[in-house]
Amino acid sequence: AQKVTQAQTEISVVEKEDVTLDCVYETRDTTYYLFWYKQPPSGELVFLIRRNSFDEQNEISGRYSWNFQKSTSSFNFTITASQVVDSAVYFCALSEARDSSYKLIFGSGTRLLVRP
Amino acid sequence: EAGVTQFPSHSVIEKGQTVTLRCDPISGHDNLYWYRRVMGKEIKFLLHFVKESKQDESGMPNNRFLAERTGGTYSTLKVQPAELEDSGVYFCASSPRDRGRIADTQYFGPGTRLTVL
Repeated sequence: AQKVTQAQTEISVVEKEDVTLDCVYETRDTTYYLFWYKQPPSGELVFLIRRNSFDEQNEISGRYSWNFQKSTSSFNFTITASQVVDSAVYFCALSEARDSSYKLIFGSGTRLLVRP
Repeated sequence: EAGVTQFPSHSVIEKGQTVTLRCDPISGHDNLYWYRRVMGKEIKFLLHFVKESKQDESGMPNNRFLAERTGGTYSTLKVQPAELEDSGVYFCASSPRDRGRIADTQYFGPGTRLTVL
């Protein structure tokens, strides 16, 4: 069965620290998509990244980087030099190609608090 | 380009009343999704429209929930009668079009926080 696990419920760091948010997924599909969304205090879900299962290249976007490892079914998210504005709940999600709706299966989220 | 909008942002109703939530997707997006997050739980899929047709409603909890998408544009989600366990945040998302076996990114609205007393 498909499942996304974000084992870290809450992380607290001091500004400028690096922080990694873990995401482990389960799927029997060979083609799937992984996503990260950010939910700031205002409540909306903001899309951060999408990764296809057949593309294992890691990605860097500014202070954000993502490490996709199929061998361990993980799609971890690292924020370098964290800032107070990074404080939010971060959700990892999975979508399977065999699902004609491509509905998203979410993890439970990790609340990140960056203290000044 | 305007994002996904949802109305109202908050709704407080009493058990047994009816509430209708509205979602306006990004213009031109064929796919529209409803999700909800009840307190302390994961965000869960409710249903998916392709244009005006329901593609998948496997996540709808029971027949007190009715979703429509008039003319393939905006969508409404009606809860009638509301129960205490319906409280939560209801999110709407849209994605561009059906490209066969390729998933498009879903863009979310700000959500409607529903409280049933």
